[in-house]
Amino acid sequence: QKEVEQNSGPLSVPEGAIASLNCTYSDRGSQSFFWYRQYSGKSPELIMSIYSNGDKEDGRFTAQLNKASQYVSLLIRDSQPSDSATYLCAVTRSSNTGKLIFGQGTTLQVKP
Amino acid sequence: GAGVSQSPSNKVTEKGKDVELRCDPISGHTALYWYRQSLGQGLEFLIYFQGNSAPDKSGLPSDRFSAERTGGSVSTLTIQRTQQEDSAVYLCASSLSLAHEQYFGPGTRLTVT
Repeated sequence: QKEVEQNSGPLSVPEGAIASLNCTYSDRGSQSFFWYRQYSGKSPELIMSIYSNGDKEDGRFTAQLNKASQYVSLLIRDSQPSDSATYLCAVTRSSNTGKLIFGQGTTLQVKP
Repeated sequence: GAGVSQSPSNKVTEKGKDVELRCDPISGHTALYWYRQSLGQGLEFLIYFQGNSAPDKSGLPSDRFSAERTGGSVSTLTIQRTQQEDSAVYLCASSLSLAHEQYFGPGTRLTVT
């Protein structure tokens, strides 16, 4: 079992729809959770961080964390073709380490 | 402000040669990280530096890999006697301190022929 798991996709949604990206992690002691967006041939770009249970909203993006169920999700509202990219979920095990453990990423395609 | 910078952006080297990759973190960030991304392996952690503490080298794949950070700022990742399996994109990131958000540089694409 991988430590951080994501569905590789591709996830295809029409323009204007809500895209829902999911991530599960195996280490119950994980502390910090991040979503990165990566366009083809580019480096990862931080979208959201979330540290406590519940929802965190930033513009069209909402991150949701449920530590009891060990999952974290990212919702993208009003999806645009420019949102088409690979979305990487990353986790740190504790506050004493900066080591990010990444999932394999979910490819999102937003069709006009 | 200026982001994380890395050089070179591309490096082609022959098997067996040594290479040095450079990272310049965001000013004021005390933590610096190296990762690599290759097809089929995803993004994997290599090493991080935090202030004056001993680095966490737990992700380095072999003793051919080493890294240093001089003066708490610029870092160099060195790969000795490169092998074809070292071909990957090497990414550097920095953060204000451990467990804070990490910001990535543009990466160095290393090709070993």
